[in-house]
Amino acid sequence: AQSVSQHNHHVILSEAASLELGCNYSYGGTVNLFWYVQYPGQHLQLLLKYFSGDPLVKGIKGFEAEFIKSKFSFNLRKPSVQWSDTAEYFCAVKGSGGSNYKLTFGKGTLLTVNP
Amino acid sequence: GAGVSQTPSNKVTEKGKYVELRCDPISGHTALYWYRQSLGQGPEFLIYFQGTGAADDSGLPNDRFFAVRPEGSVSTLKIQRTERGDSAVYLCASSLTGGVLGSPLHFGNGTRLTVT
Repeated sequence: AQSVSQHNHHVILSEAASLELGCNYSYGGTVNLFWYVQYPGQHLQLLLKYFSGDPLVKGIKGFEAEFIKSKFSFNLRKPSVQWSDTAEYFCAVKGSGGSNYKLTFGKGTLLTVNP
Repeated sequence: GAGVSQTPSNKVTEKGKYVELRCDPISGHTALYWYRQSLGQGPEFLIYFQGTGAADDSGLPNDRFFAVRPEGSVSTLKIQRTERGDSAVYLCASSLTGGVLGSPLHFGNGTRLTVT
């Protein structure tokens, strides 16, 4: 069974600080990886995704993530956060086998950016 | 355009009662998913519909939970004899197709169910 581990439960940063949120997954085959974001009072939105090719993936709002296969990791980064990045961030994995429709999410990381 | 719509947004019910949660997916999306998000957790898969049929209901916790999608569009998640442990946010998502790379999930705002 696949699983996702997000190391940080709550991260607090000041504006302009750099961000890195950790994500490790467990799955015995080819995976597709995702980061979703949930802004206060809003629905889950896709931030970025990795399917294949360049392991460095760029998403919306200046976010990027790097897939490191040897470390089973897909960490999310942003060089300079803004107050509007305050949200909860979820890493998710989808296997490419028979259950390739099923997303497995981590527990989420709450990011608070202070102005 | 319209996104995934879930009603009600909040539902408070007493232990033992029956509840129905409704999901209206994006028009034309054949795949529909239900997830459950408990406090402090990420969303957990419950059930996946491809068209009218439940292709995978392996995430439903027990036989008190049931979901239908009779016309391949709107779906209803039904919970019988609710228990306090059923309290959570129930999320619905839809995608253009299921199980295909590049078909992202679009989530609704969820229904927050509280069982007292």
